[in-house]
Amino acid sequence: GAVVSQHPSWVICKSGTSVKIECRSLDFQATTMFWYRQFPKQSLMLMATSNEGSKATYEQGVEKDKFLINHASLTLSTLTVTSAHPEDSSFYICSARETQGVLSNQPQHFGDGTRLSIL
Amino acid sequence: AQKVTQAQTEISVVEKEDVTLDCVYETRDTTYYLFWYKQPPSGELVFLIRRNSFDEQNEISGRYSWNFQKSTSSFNFTITASQVVDSAVYFCALKGFKTIFGAGTRLFVKA
Repeated sequence: GAVVSQHPSWVICKSGTSVKIECRSLDFQATTMFWYRQFPKQSLMLMATSNEGSKATYEQGVEKDKFLINHASLTLSTLTVTSAHPEDSSFYICSARETQGVLSNQPQHFGDGTRLSIL
Repeated sequence: AQKVTQAQTEISVVEKEDVTLDCVYETRDTTYYLFWYKQPPSGELVFLIRRNSFDEQNEISGRYSWNFQKSTSSFNFTITASQVVDSAVYFCALKGFKTIFGAGTRLFVKA
């Protein structure tokens, strides 16, 4: 089945540093990738949707300059949390889908998530 | 405004029981999409279904079924003959102008 690999699975870093999270589709081409954030009391938030080769579409309220998303190839998307602060600590999850657009019937495949802790 | 309400915070059932997870939504969009996701204790999310607002047909996939009722703005999810492996948090989500998730329902299935 389709596998999405997310790396790293856990990262702890100091306040002010930038952290990059990678999301790779291992056995399919991911035209569309999604980035989610899960807060401690389990609620989920879609941060952005990215289509390969174009700029990511951010959800309302998500800071584009804070959360940089790059989807340069059909198998890799990255999320960079710039100048991270303790309030950015969260569980970040990526998802990939083979075809573009909301009308796609292809299912989403999820990575295992990255737990980010900013000290 | 958009809103997704999963009123059941936790549900506990015994194996083989049927269980329905409720999802009620609010949106002013005429075109929107509804989703269900599963998050087992291991943490990874699993996509279950996507339904667009123009398709009110109910869907069945094995032991899972979904009932979409636009008249009551609900998109309920039923697991028939529940199994221990169904224990997870289930999220309902709405994509209109914005994508929002419900708070999730934690399902415990006891052997």
